[in-house]
Amino acid sequence: DIKMTQSPSTLSASVGDRVIVTCRASQSISKWLAWYQQKPGKAPSLLIYEASSLGGGVPSRFSGSGSGTEFTLTIDSLQPDDFATYYCQQYRAFPYTFGLGTKLEIK
Amino acid sequence: QVQLMQSGAEVKKPGASVKISCKASGDTLFNHYVHWVRQAPGQGLEWMGIIKPEDGTLSYAQNFQGRVTLTWDTSTNTVYMELNSLTSDDTAVFYCARSQSGSSVSGHWGQGTLVTVSS
Repeated sequence: DIKMTQSPSTLSASVGDRVIVTCRASQSISKWLAWYQQKPGKAPSLLIYEASSLGGGVPSRFSGSGSGTEFTLTIDSLQPDDFATYYCQQYRAFPYTFGLGTKLEIK
Repeated sequence: QVQLMQSGAEVKKPGASVKISCKASGDTLFNHYVHWVRQAPGQGLEWMGIIKPEDGTLSYAQNFQGRVTLTWDTSTNTVYMELNSLTSDDTAVFYCARSQSGSSVSGHWGQGTLVTVSS
């Protein structure tokens, strides 16, 4: 199985900050990486697919980059609505594994 | 825009089985991938398996192999997930998710179904 390692596990930031979350795959997954946002008590929602393509209706302050084994999710100018947990997921090969998540907290 | 509606919360005893439905409205499930994901209380997302009715694609995560079965009913545009031999570790919210068109990524999610396993 492809292991996805996310860092950091927790991130404290303020409204207006720029934050970066990193995801590393245990083997090359090319561009087949997605990022999801999940708020407490809600289903995850797709932010980024194919490493850098913005999901429908996702604000442009979210961006993704990377290929192969190293990927990043960047949120520019954090908004109050962005404080949530973020997960990466590879969909290069079954099983489609998730990272353990990054909880973005208000500083 | 597709909407996924999952069946309601369940309470089961250890050793029992649970079958959760995921019904689509607004679009079909038949030619898309449908994923199932487990999330234990306070924990992360765990991918369980995938089905694509159109071509028979079916794959299960090793952690659930032998205990999980995914099926579909084309006439009702519904996919089902059955999990057997439940233990307290299966107390979780289970989500279905449908792929985006032209991709296998989970673009559309159901609301989740809470399964509580307790004696």
